[in-house]
Amino acid sequence: EIVMTQSPATLSVSPGERATLSCRASQSVSSNLAWYQQKPGQAPRLLIYGASTRATGIPGRFSGSGSGTEFTLTISSLQSEDFALYYCQQYDKWPTWTFGQGTKVEIK
Amino acid sequence: EVQLVESGGGLVQPGGSLRLSCVASGFTFSTYDMHWVRQVTGKGLEWVSSVLTSGEPFYADSVEGRFTISREDAKNSLYLQMDSLRAGDTAVYYCARSWSAYSPIDSWGHGALVTVSS
Repeated sequence: EIVMTQSPATLSVSPGERATLSCRASQSVSSNLAWYQQKPGQAPRLLIYGASTRATGIPGRFSGSGSGTEFTLTISSLQSEDFALYYCQQYDKWPTWTFGQGTKVEIK
Repeated sequence: EVQLVESGGGLVQPGGSLRLSCVASGFTFSTYDMHWVRQVTGKGLEWVSSVLTSGEPFYADSVEGRFTISREDAKNSLYLQMDSLRAGDTAVYYCARSWSAYSPIDSWGHGALVTVSS
């Protein structure tokens, strides 16, 4: 099983600042990496797939980068609605999809 | 608008059974691979099971032999039959879709809470 490790566990950021979230895979997943946002009481929402492609309707302040084993999600200027949990997921090794443990982005 | 609506969650005793259903609308159900993903309260996401458009099922090791996934395209419905339930199966179960097995989940249901407790 591919283990996905996210860091940090919690990120404290002020509104308007940049947030950088990391995700590391225990073995290469090529670019088959997605990022999801989850707010309390809600289902996850797809933000990024293919490591760097924004999903439909996702604002341009969200960007993804990386390939192989190292990935980054950047939120260029945090808005109030961006404070949430973020998960990465590899979908390279089918059928055993795996998710990271999540990074909580909180208001500083 | 894509909608996935789960039902069938609830409280069940250890060793018991429960059947989750998911009704889809707003897209051509038969052309998407469908999945169940669960989340223990306050914890991360865990892939549980998938069924491809071909009907071929796949399971996580943790539920293999106890859970059965199926789909009924004529009714735009996905099911998860859960038998021999354990306390560790307590979670919110999300119905989800992807356009292929090698694609991410692009839509999720609101989730159904399953609680296994005596």
